[in-house]
Amino acid sequence: DGGITQSPKYLFRKEGQNVTLSCEQNLNHDAMYWYRQDPGQGLRLIYYSQIVNDFQKGDIAEGYSVSREKKESFPLTVTSAQKNPTAFYLCASSPWVSLKEQFFGPGTRLTVL
Amino acid sequence: RKEVEQDPGPFNVPEGATVAFNCTYSNSASQSFFWYRQDCRKEPKLLMSVYSSGNEDGRFTAQLNRASQYISLLIRDSKLSDSATYLCVVKKINPGGSYIPTFGRGTSLIVHP
Repeated sequence: DGGITQSPKYLFRKEGQNVTLSCEQNLNHDAMYWYRQDPGQGLRLIYYSQIVNDFQKGDIAEGYSVSREKKESFPLTVTSAQKNPTAFYLCASSPWVSLKEQFFGPGTRLTVL
Repeated sequence: RKEVEQDPGPFNVPEGATVAFNCTYSNSASQSFFWYRQDCRKEPKLLMSVYSSGNEDGRFTAQLNRASQYISLLIRDSKLSDSATYLCVVKKINPGGSYIPTFGRGTSLIVHP
């Protein structure tokens, strides 16, 4: 079955450590996105990528980094520069950065202790 | 003014009731519109796209009013399983030529027996 996978589902890290969240899709989608969701808040865009080896900052990119070396994969690194990293992180993809809808992975819940 | 605004609720309704949510958007250049459903601690899932002519999917009806810049979602004959948060999503073209979605904070629906 085609879909988007994110791992791990829950992640705990100590303050000051970098951590990388995985996102893989086998939908053959060109565009991929990372969002952050805090309790009672909507989704906020961190980074997005339209094609391999290209990505753009979203609304809250500070303290995060991404790479897009393969079409299927779009890992997100939460660096120690991110002031409040504890959140629910969602990866999504769509056929193109177009008018079509997005499909989401199950999310990674990151807690920084 | 936020780009996409929703009443957070919660809307607390009995089974069988009809309930309607509105979502307003500020950018008249917005071009595509969606409703997503998000269950607690899960990823958002597409409920339906919203077209100018209005569209219906079983008990769900979505409408778009471009003149007043809002979209609506009507749920008839509410079921307990409809309890969730409903996210409004609006897409517009960015200066760079890509279509980026903006999410509302969501409206919480609780259907009780």
